Formats: sequence, C-alpha cells, structure tokens
Amino acid sequence: DVKVTQSSRYLVKRTGEKVFLECVQDMDHENMFWYRQDPGLGLRLIYFSYDVKMKEKGDIPEGYSVSREKKERFSLILESASTNQTSMYLCASWATPGYTFGSGTRLTVV
Amino acid sequence: AQSVSQHNHHVILSEAASLELGCNYSYGGTVNLFWYVQYPGQHLQLLLKYFSGDPLVKGIKGFEAEFIKSKFSFNLRKPSVQWSDTAEYFCAVIGQTGANNLFFGTGTRLTVIP
Repeated sequence: DVKVTQSSRYLVKRTGEKVFLECVQDMDHENMFWYRQDPGLGLRLIYFSYDVKMKEKGDIPEGYSVSREKKERFSLILESASTNQTSMYLCASWATPGYTFGSGTRLTVV
Repeated sequence: AQSVSQHNHHVILSEAASLELGCNYSYGGTVNLFWYVQYPGQHLQLLLKYFSGDPLVKGIKGFEAEFIKSKFSFNLRKPSVQWSDTAEYFCAVIGQTGANNLFFGTGTRLTVIP
C-alpha cells in the first residue's frame, strides 16, 4: 500500500513565523498535492506538483509556497504564518487508480 | 471550473435507518467520481469510486453510489446505518482535463444515534 506520511500531527506556531509542513510518499508517485480542510468548506487545493521542481497553484495559494526537490517529498511553506492559516493540512499523492492521503497536520497559529 | 455540491451539511439518523447523501457536480466531460469518509480523528479513506462501466458502484462497509449522468449526480446510499458510520463524508470529482486535481464538496456530517 502507498503510504503518505506527514511529519507532524499537531503544530502550534506564532504569527509571523515561517512554517514548514513536510510530506513524504513511498511509492514513486509523480503527482502530489496539498489541501487545507476547514469546517463547512471541505478540502481546498493549495498547491500541487507533477514532478520534481515543478509546482502549480491550486485554488487558494495565497500565503503559501511549496518545494519539491525530491520526488518523494513535497513541502508546504507558510512564509509568514497568520491566524487565518489555522487549519488542518492534508497531503496526498496520486497514481491510477486514485489518491492516497496523509493523516493530516493540525496547525494552530497564535 | 469544476465544482461539487453536497447539499446536506449535517444529517442525523437513528441506527438501522436508510441513508442517502446527495452529491452533484458541474463538469460536462468525462469524470471520475469518489466518496471519501473521515471518521473522528482519522484521515480520509476512500469509500468507493466510479471511473466507467456499471453506474451503480459498491464500496466498503455496505455503501453504494449511483452515477446518473443526466442529473450530474453521484449520491451515496446505505440501506441500514450503524452507530459506527458516524463520520464526515466527502464527494469528490476529477475531470478528464489531464490535471488529476481532485475537487471536493464541502462535506456532510453524519451522526447516527444508537
């Protein structure tokens, strides 16, 4: 089975801090994704990547950036964390026949 | 742009009741459709998916969904719910644009009362 691992389950950061959320998949998938999940809003796509060093904006990229230096690792970066970025962040990878999600990182910005 | 609508935000049922959760999508081309479930404190799990073929899809834990192309719908059903089905359910769609981006509905929270 494909495994998608998010390094932190819970994080608490201060406003203005630079935050790194790490995601690693172990099946050599090319496509990886970052979503945020908020009550009543479902999952919204922040960024995705088709390959190493390649990235594309999703629906809500503002305030975020990403890094894909190696195929197995896709990092989400909050350059200057703000309270409205308090959320659950989900990483996923894709290969036919579907997506595999990580267990999520619950980020609280205080 | 593609979108997915789940009109039921919170559904409360007694055990053994039948369940139907609505899902409508907006995309005129070929689609792949999914239902995911998220149990409290757990990560998203795939319940079932439709790619092609028989529009009635059976998934895990007794769930099924029917793809009705003319209605742009992919409703989730279960004939008799259990307390353990309490969870949040998300409908999602991938349009065949080559992007493989999964678009999610806003989710439906199901509470099953013993």
